[in-house]
Amino acid sequence: GENVEQHPSTLSVQEGDSAVIKCTYSDSASNYFPWYKQELGKRPQLIIDIRSNVGEKKDQRIAVTLNKTAKHFSLHITETQPEDSAVYFCAARRAGSYQLTFGKGTKLSVIP
Amino acid sequence: DAMVIQNPRYQVTQFGKPVTLSCSQTLNHNVMYWYQQKSSQAPKLLFHYYDKDFNNEADTPDNFQSRRPNTSFCFLDIRSPGLGDAAMYLCATSSKRGVGPDTQYFGPGTRLTVL
Repeated sequence: GENVEQHPSTLSVQEGDSAVIKCTYSDSASNYFPWYKQELGKRPQLIIDIRSNVGEKKDQRIAVTLNKTAKHFSLHITETQPEDSAVYFCAARRAGSYQLTFGKGTKLSVIP
Repeated sequence: DAMVIQNPRYQVTQFGKPVTLSCSQTLNHNVMYWYQQKSSQAPKLLFHYYDKDFNNEADTPDNFQSRRPNTSFCFLDIRSPGLGDAAMYLCATSSKRGVGPDTQYFGPGTRLTVL
């Protein structure tokens, strides 16, 4: 089955700096890659996603890039703010499947 | 607003005492999922329904059961909760089964404590 590796497990950045979280996947048939943000005690919320027919997607301060050949995708957050502090999960889904395989999460701390 | 609702938000039960968690949705989505999330871990899929078609994950213990009486509601039954079942239980929904834009929307979760 699919395996998703996520790095780093923890990340601390100064407010205003950029943060990058990287994920690799094993199943070349995966074609959908969402990113979820989860604040302490709250639900995971989708912040951005990308499909395999696109190499990059951007939404204001958040961007995701996908390299299908290398089977990795990354989340980029620019101009970080304290409210960006949370756990971020990447996930991958095989074409035609219902199941999301999650990475183990990255705890991002933005220091004011 | 269309949403995914879970009740209760916090549930305390005793070791071995059956408990039922509920999820409802106003999104009219075909697919409903139940995840277990333990502290500092990723959500782990227990099972899902595509309409009334039930799909169990291979490693989901028999202690966990589910019911979906209609499109809007789905229940998670834990027949004999153990201490290891203490976790956040997340319900999620999506509109299609792996085809097209079928983002999974999560409910707020039920925090289960087993005494």
